Amino acid sequence: GAGVSQSPRYKVAKRGQDVALRCDPISGHVSLFWYQQALGQGPEFLTYFQNEAQLDKSGLPSDRFFAERPEGSVSTLKIQRTQQEDSAVYLCASSPAYEQYFGPGTRLTVT
Amino acid sequence: DAKTTQPTSMDCAEGRAANLPCNHSTISGNEYVYWYRQIHSQGPQYIIHGLKNNETNEMASLIITEDRKSSTLILPHATLRDTAVYYCIVAFSGNTGKLIFGQGTTLQVKP
Repeated sequence: GAGVSQSPRYKVAKRGQDVALRCDPISGHVSLFWYQQALGQGPEFLTYFQNEAQLDKSGLPSDRFFAERPEGSVSTLKIQRTQQEDSAVYLCASSPAYEQYFGPGTRLTVT
Repeated sequence: DAKTTQPTSMDCAEGRAANLPCNHSTISGNEYVYWYRQIHSQGPQYIIHGLKNNETNEMASLIITEDRKSSTLILPHATLRDTAVYYCIVAFSGNTGKLIFGQGTTLQVKP
């Protein structure tokens, strides 16, 4: 079946621009996670939803980062006033129970 | 959160078993041991998880010591496509808990 999809796959933004990254989870998965992966590092947790409720946003690095999942399915991660340190791969994962299924990620480059 | 310790890198000959160790001495009683891997430029892929018993699936086997302070992931017949970074993670069930990735073990399968 279809896995987790993310769009766009690549995004180049000029410093100061706002970006929106989309995640389509596997249908029926209640839980959705966002992670940030810097070059050469393991993924780092950003935020977690159960249905439309954002239950944990402890990993969001600043108030420029905002995530939503208004109808409990598709989720959007928004980054305002992008900075060079935001350059990374942003990964989305959904989970039915124990395991998390990851999308291919969006590679964000801020110039 | 419990942390894990893994070797930075390992080599394995194609067709041989790959045994990847992990130490997790501070694991709590209701935390699971998860293994994920990440092939270059892809999102992480779930491999296997366990609580206290050994587990086997179509991809791998997981051996957990009786005291639960360490585990070993076994890929029985490694192929070139198994070259990846392997992450050992301790976490609560996947749909309610964030995953904390360390640096992982880079496994290089050689012909």
